[in-house]
Amino acid sequence: DQQVKQNSPSLSVQEGRISILNCDYTNSMFDYFLWYKKYPAEGPTFLISISSIKDKNEDGRFTVFLNKSAKHLSLHIVPSQPGDSAVYFCAARKNQAGTALIFGKGTTLSVSS
Amino acid sequence: EAGVVQSPRYKIIEKKQPVAFWCNPISGHNTLYWYLQNLGQGPELLIRYENEEAVDDSQLPKDRFSAERLKGVDSTLKIQPAELGDSAVYLCASSLGFDRGKEETQYFGPGTRLLVL
Repeated sequence: DQQVKQNSPSLSVQEGRISILNCDYTNSMFDYFLWYKKYPAEGPTFLISISSIKDKNEDGRFTVFLNKSAKHLSLHIVPSQPGDSAVYFCAARKNQAGTALIFGKGTTLSVSS
Repeated sequence: EAGVVQSPRYKIIEKKQPVAFWCNPISGHNTLYWYLQNLGQGPELLIRYENEEAVDDSQLPKDRFSAERLKGVDSTLKIQPAELGDSAVYLCASSLGFDRGKEETQYFGPGTRLLVL
């Protein structure tokens, strides 16, 4: 049973517009969430994170929103750029020793110019 | 600052052969992870080390997989014998180490892409 779900396998957006990537989780023990970006033939690169005590975290063009009651988070990219085209993974973990990141299956974002 | 280093980047072997992957984490990172990523899936943990101690190996198929981190720095993951279903990307990640007061971030290497024929 998947604990972290990214229900959209792909998303296409025009350059300059907003990209919204969604992620749902089922385990209420998760309290730290991360987004990773992955280009082909490279490892995942850390993008942005959010703790469960917050509902928003912003870093430049990237903003992550967390809705704990809905067990939902989203990544907003504004404005989207062609270089943002990659696979985006949502990950979560519990705030206790010995836990690993639980990843979703990823969403492939394509930004066209 | 150098990132997580992995070698080889690609490996093609025949089934039943042994194979080994090497990882050098970011300097100063005490925690090291090996993840497996199948096509179309997110990474899944195989084993986690705190220094030289394997603190979570519950997902490691111990009949054919083994790992070591003898001096608490670099690590080796081995498969013997390899099966067709082992074809995947093997990712190594490292972090400063778990601290309840901090938000731990894991940094990944480029991975080793294994193809078993």
